[in-house]
Amino acid sequence: EPEVTQTPSHQVTQMGQEVILRCVPISNHLYFYWYRQILGQKVEFLVSFYNNEISEKSEIFDDQFSVERPDGSNFTLKIRSTKLEDSAMYFCASTDGLVNEQFFGPGTRLTVL
Amino acid sequence: GQQLNQSPQSMFIQEGEDVSMNCTSSSIFNTWLWYKQDPGEGPVLLIALYKAGELTSNGRLTAQFGITRKDSFLNISASIPSDVGIYFCAGQLKGSNYKLTFGKGTLLTVNP
Repeated sequence: EPEVTQTPSHQVTQMGQEVILRCVPISNHLYFYWYRQILGQKVEFLVSFYNNEISEKSEIFDDQFSVERPDGSNFTLKIRSTKLEDSAMYFCASTDGLVNEQFFGPGTRLTVL
Repeated sequence: GQQLNQSPQSMFIQEGEDVSMNCTSSSIFNTWLWYKQDPGEGPVLLIALYKAGELTSNGRLTAQFGITRKDSFLNISASIPSDVGIYFCAGQLKGSNYKLTFGKGTLLTVNP
């Protein structure tokens, strides 16, 4: 069964460093997302991406964040200068836009020290 | 932004019992989805609901899309230990790029 994959599973970084989180969405899907979950809290929407551009972003997704689909399979989230409060699980998700079911990857745990 | 109120926050039940949890919203959604999350993993889709009043089952799970489109419930019958986890409701609004708004989750503990 097709699934969303994410790498790395855990990333530890120093405050101020840049990180890139990687995702491979399900191959025939057209809409891609990043969500964040701070430990013990709910999942929060960060950004949606369609047709090679950002279609919507939340107030969390400030200038430190960027997304890219560098080729036909990968979808990345970059945090330019990490802050302590960026520590969270980051989930990638995708949907085909037809049946609206959104499938999530296993997540990347980002720890900022 | 839209807020989802999910209750209860946590439940502690005996194996074999039925359990019910629900979500309400102050505004309507076009689609309701229920996810389960195990510790350290991503949410896994359980059930998706597309029409007001729709009742859908997936094995021991049953979920309904409220008539007002502002609420949904999830029932689990005859619970087993592997049902343990956090259950999230999520609402999706038409024309919103299909982004999901999540509830705060219900932590389910099943005592064998």
